[in-house]
Amino acid sequence: AQSVTQPDIHITVSEGASLELRCNYSYGATPYLFWYVQSPGQGLQLLLKYFSGDTLVQGIKGFEAEFKRSQSSFNLRKPSVHWSDAAEYFCAVGDSGGYNKLIFGAGTRLAVHP
Amino acid sequence: GAGVSQSPSNKVTEKGKDVELRCDPISGHTALYWYRQRLGQGLEFLIYFQGNSAPDKSGLPSDRFSAERTGESVSTLTIQRTQQEDSAVYLCASRKTGRGRNTGELFFGEGSRLTVL
Repeated sequence: AQSVTQPDIHITVSEGASLELRCNYSYGATPYLFWYVQSPGQGLQLLLKYFSGDTLVQGIKGFEAEFKRSQSSFNLRKPSVHWSDAAEYFCAVGDSGGYNKLIFGAGTRLAVHP
Repeated sequence: GAGVSQSPSNKVTEKGKDVELRCDPISGHTALYWYRQRLGQGLEFLIYFQGNSAPDKSGLPSDRFSAERTGESVSTLTIQRTQQEDSAVYLCASRKTGRGRNTGELFFGEGSRLTVL
């Protein structure tokens, strides 16, 4: 069965520092991979997605993620974090065969110190 | 509207009562999903609709939970005889599907927060 693991429940970084949020997935075939952000009081917003091709994908708000098949990982990165990036981040995997039902990880809550 | 709309945004109910949660997907989106998010946890898939049929109900936690959809429009999630463990945010998402491999983005509503006393 598909599954997603986000090993870090909470991460705190200083504003301007770099960020990497980890995501590992379990899926037998080529996965569809997603990162969503959930800000307080708001719905989930798609940051970026990977379906095929270039394994380094660029998203909105300066985020990028790299798909590494050998490590079953899809880590999210940002070179310089802004205070407004404080939110909860969810990694998700979707099957490529049909319904694109997304399976979500438990999320990583990011706090940003000034 | 332009986005996925859910109502009510907040619902407080007593244990044992029935509740209905409504989702208005983006116009033209044929796929509709319900997820549950308990406090401090990730999103838990409940049910998927393609049009008004539900090919995947595997996430519904018990027979107290049911959902229906009218055509390619509104969906209602019903929870009967609510229990305290049903307290959560219930999120709805929709997606435009088409021919071939489905790569469309899921658009989420802001959710309905359910509190069962």
